[in-house]
Amino acid sequence: GAVVSQHPSWVICKSGTSVKIECRSLDFQATTMFWYRQFPKQSLMLMATSNEGSKATYEQGVEKDKFLINHASLTLSTLTVTSAHPEDSSFYICSAGEGAKNTEAFFGQGTRLTVV
Amino acid sequence: DAKTTQPNSMESNEEEPVHLPCNHSTISGTDYIHWYRQLPSQGPEYVIHGLTSNVNNRMASLAIAEDRKSSTLILHRATLRDAAVYYCILRDGGTASKLTFGTGTRLQVTL
Repeated sequence: GAVVSQHPSWVICKSGTSVKIECRSLDFQATTMFWYRQFPKQSLMLMATSNEGSKATYEQGVEKDKFLINHASLTLSTLTVTSAHPEDSSFYICSAGEGAKNTEAFFGQGTRLTVV
Repeated sequence: DAKTTQPNSMESNEEEPVHLPCNHSTISGTDYIHWYRQLPSQGPEYVIHGLTSNVNNRMASLAIAEDRKSSTLILHRATLRDAAVYYCILRDGGTASKLTFGTGTRLQVTL
């Protein structure tokens, strides 16, 4: 089946620094990718929709200047957490797929971000 | 997005069947019913999806009520590796249909 790969799997950074997370579709082209955030014991919350070649669409309450999304190619989307703070510590997950409602979505393995 | 309701948690013994219910009384005629599961510290994994008819695949079966207001995910023989949070999600929209996750059902499987 299709594979979506995230990198890194985990990262620890100092408060105030920026962290980039990559999401790659390994064997298919994804014009749309989604970024989620998950806090401990909670469900996944959609942050933004990443569109290849155009600006990302952010969900209400998500700061676009803090969570920079770049989708420069059909197989790569990146999420940069800028000026990270401890409250940004979370599990970040990307997904990709054909996007149609009658097809499955594929998820990356997630990135555990810890800001100290 | 139409909402789904699932029990917070369920328990099962290993090797026994598990029926995970999902209510979606406000489902529209074009919504697909999707199930995903998430193992600890991993991204979600696709399980199954359907529209009106019951569906079977190598992982599970999906039984959809005739009025489509509820569905049941059936794991025929639970194993310890099936312990996860199971999410029932209604999916509609155009070519970039996003998935909105609810709270899901945490399935515990015991020996």
